[in-house]
Amino acid sequence: EDQVTQSPEALRLQEGESSSLNCSYTVSGLRGLFWYRQDPGKGPEFLFTLYSAGEEKEKERLKATLTKKESFLHITAPKPEDSATYLCAVHSDSNYQLIWGAGTKLIIKP
Amino acid sequence: SQTIHQWPATLVQPVGSPLSLECTVEGTSNPNLYWYRQAAGRGLQLLFYSVGIGQISSEVPQNLSASRPQDRQFILSSKKLLLSDSGFYLCAWSAGTAAPETQYFGPGTRLLVL
Repeated sequence: EDQVTQSPEALRLQEGESSSLNCSYTVSGLRGLFWYRQDPGKGPEFLFTLYSAGEEKEKERLKATLTKKESFLHITAPKPEDSATYLCAVHSDSNYQLIWGAGTKLIIKP
Repeated sequence: SQTIHQWPATLVQPVGSPLSLECTVEGTSNPNLYWYRQAAGRGLQLLFYSVGIGQISSEVPQNLSASRPQDRQFILSSKKLLLSDSGFYLCAWSAGTAAPETQYFGPGTRLLVL
């Protein structure tokens, strides 16, 4: 059965303190892994799609990486405006729909 | 550029009342459309998806139904709401090309059933 697990559930950092969020997946053939950002009371905002192990993508202070078992969302020198819930989703060979993780709530304190 | 709209933004309804949530997409043709429900602190649950007018696939047996009367319009309905229907409802679209497809979300509707 396809599964996606995100950790930690919540992460509190000081402004400027770099860290990483994890998305572990178990699927029968990965077609794509998606990262989204969701602000409270709003719809998820698309960040990245990764397709194969070794791939990396960057956007401002965010960098997403992918291995055969997991993806990391690295946040470098975060600012308070980076506070949000970050969602990971996977599209596999055996599922036509996305399998979603529960998200990591990131809080950046000034 | 493409835009997705949902309304209303917030809705408070009594148990047993009907429901109609609307989603429209601008700037694209023949999109795939999706309805999700998100419970607090949990991942998104796919409720319905549609690849074309009148074509609806249901993912979870429940008190809700969906319709797609026009190419870029997707409606979520219920004849009689239950308390358990409370939640955050999200509409999304994708380009309808070869998988994997990026899904783009609307602003969501917060539904509270009392």
